[in-house]
Amino acid sequence: GAVVSQHPSRVICKSGTSVKIECRSLDFQATTMFWYRQFPKQSLMLMATSNEGSKATYEQGVEKDKFLINHASLTLSTLTVTSAHPEDSSFYICSAREAGLAGVTEQFFGPGTRLTVL
Amino acid sequence: AQKITQTQPGMFVQEKEAVTLDCTYDTSDPSYGLFWYKQPSSGEMIFLIYQGSYDQQNATEGRYSLNFQKARKSANLVISASQLGDSAMYFCAMRAPTGGGNKLTFGTGTQLKVEL
Repeated sequence: GAVVSQHPSRVICKSGTSVKIECRSLDFQATTMFWYRQFPKQSLMLMATSNEGSKATYEQGVEKDKFLINHASLTLSTLTVTSAHPEDSSFYICSAREAGLAGVTEQFFGPGTRLTVL
Repeated sequence: AQKITQTQPGMFVQEKEAVTLDCTYDTSDPSYGLFWYKQPSSGEMIFLIYQGSYDQQNATEGRYSLNFQKARKSANLVISASQLGDSAMYFCAMRAPTGGGNKLTFGTGTQLKVEL
């Protein structure tokens, strides 16, 4: 089946530093990747939609200068949290949509990255 | 606007019993898809079952079935013969064109605990 990986799985950083999270589709090409944020005991909130070779589309209220998204290839999208602060601590999950496939399970989720900002 | 409502923040069920997790949705699109995901404590989102708005029959996948009542805009998940490993958070989600064709809108989730 389609596999999506995320790296790192867990990261702890100091306030003010930037953190990069990678999302890779391992056995398929993904034209579209999605980045979600999940606070403890809450639902997944879509942050942005990332399309290969073009700029990401951010949801209302998400700061594009703070959450930089790059989708440079059909198998890799990165999310960079710039100048992270404690309120950015959260669980970040990506999902990927397989190119040319319009079926049921077309979005495959990564295992998530837990970010803790001290 | 697309909206998914899950009114049960927590549910308990005894092992081997069946349990129903509620989900209602709101959309003006005639074509949409409904999904259920399981999220164990480790965090990964596990796809369980899908129902298309034009599907004539309720979806089933092993011990999971979806009770789709279109007129009531409900898509409840039924888990039969519950197992201890079913303890997790369960999310209902919808994909509809108006929401931005590929986007999923999630409900707030139901925490299911299976007891001996």
